[in-house]
Amino acid sequence: KQEVTQIPAALSVPEGENLVLNCSFTDSAIYNLQWFRQDPGKGLTSLLLIQSSQREQTSGRLNASLDKSSGRSTLYIAASQPGDSATYLCAVRRNYGQNFVFGPGTRLSVLP
Amino acid sequence: EAGVAQSPRYKIIEKRQSVAFWCNPISGHATLYWYQQILGQGPKLLIQFQNNGVVDDSQLPKDRFSAERLKGVDSTLKIQPAKLEDSAVYLCASSGPGRPNTEAFFGQGTRLTVV
Repeated sequence: KQEVTQIPAALSVPEGENLVLNCSFTDSAIYNLQWFRQDPGKGLTSLLLIQSSQREQTSGRLNASLDKSSGRSTLYIAASQPGDSATYLCAVRRNYGQNFVFGPGTRLSVLP
Repeated sequence: EAGVAQSPRYKIIEKRQSVAFWCNPISGHATLYWYQQILGQGPKLLIQFQNNGVVDDSQLPKDRFSAERLKGVDSTLKIQPAKLEDSAVYLCASSGPGRPNTEAFFGQGTRLTVV
């Protein structure tokens, strides 16, 4: 059974810092991995999708890497801003067409 | 492109009452998911549809929860009777039919409070 963990559970940083969020999964046989952002009281917004054959994906100040063999993904946020404050969730899918298994999330606060 | 639509946004009911949630996925998306998110936790799958067929409902408490997807488009999730522990956000998501990009898109969710 796939299990997904995220470290740290919460993180508070001053504005402008570069930061890394970690995601680990127990079964390396994944189809893809997706990072989401969730603002309080809102749904999930997709940030980046990495296919199992890819090593990383970039979108603006965000970079996500995938090391499938070690069961890890990292989300790198450059030059953090207060607007980045949210909960960040990673989710993995075992096969095409199957559902996502989510981690518990990392709650990020960027202080002005 | 319109996103995933859910209603209502909020619902407060007493325990043992029934409640229903509605979801309209992105046009053309064959796969539809219902997730339950308890405060402080990641979403947990309740049921997954492919068109109007059920792919996975192994974690759906079938004694009280039911879901349907008529004509492979809109979906409703029902709870009857509700328990206090059903208080959560219910998220609907959809994803497209084709390889390789099967990115999932989520709605705003319905926040259910059972008192």
